[in-house]
Amino acid sequence: AQSVTQPDIHITVSEGASLELRCNYSYGATPYLFWYVQSPGQGLQLLLKYFSGDTLVQGIKGFEAEFKRSQSSFNLRKPSVHWSDAAEYFCAVGARGYSTLTFGKGTMLLVSP
Amino acid sequence: DVKVTQSSRYLVKRTGEKVFLECVQDMDHENMFWYRQDPGLGLRLIYFSYDVKMKEKGDIPEGYSVSREKKERFSLILESASTNQTSMYLCASSLPEPYEQYFGPGTRLTVT
Repeated sequence: AQSVTQPDIHITVSEGASLELRCNYSYGATPYLFWYVQSPGQGLQLLLKYFSGDTLVQGIKGFEAEFKRSQSSFNLRKPSVHWSDAAEYFCAVGARGYSTLTFGKGTMLLVSP
Repeated sequence: DVKVTQSSRYLVKRTGEKVFLECVQDMDHENMFWYRQDPGLGLRLIYFSYDVKMKEKGDIPEGYSVSREKKERFSLILESASTNQTSMYLCASSLPEPYEQYFGPGTRLTVT
């Protein structure tokens, strides 16, 4: 079975500073990896996904993530955070042959002026 | 764009009532999912369906049932609502395999 760990429950970043949100997964084979964002009171929106190929993937809103097999990680990055990026971020993992995803517990991003 | 809609954004029900939460998707997706989301617990899968009339239990199916009579519609049923079912309920859909899931806006259910 897959599992996902997001070590940081909350992170505060100054507007304009860079951001990195951590995600570690546990799965024996090559995983399918996703990052979602949830604004308050809303559903989840897909930011980016990794299935195979280039380990650096670009997503919407200026986000990118890098798959590192040796570290079982899929960290989300953004070079310059905007106040509108304040939200909760979820990492998820899936596997070939399975219909479901396993979600991490989320990281709440706060952006200070 | 994929669109997943949920019948209500906010719902208040009394203990013991039967509650129906409806979800509709417009992208002909085979898979549909119901999650509940609680602070500190993340998303927990209640049930999912991979075809019409087919369903599988998720991690927390107790106290819930589901119905999928048409491909585009997936209903979550609380047979007898209890206060511990107060939560945010999220519906999602996807193509087969673990492709990305598309989420609806959620229903915040309060059981008093």
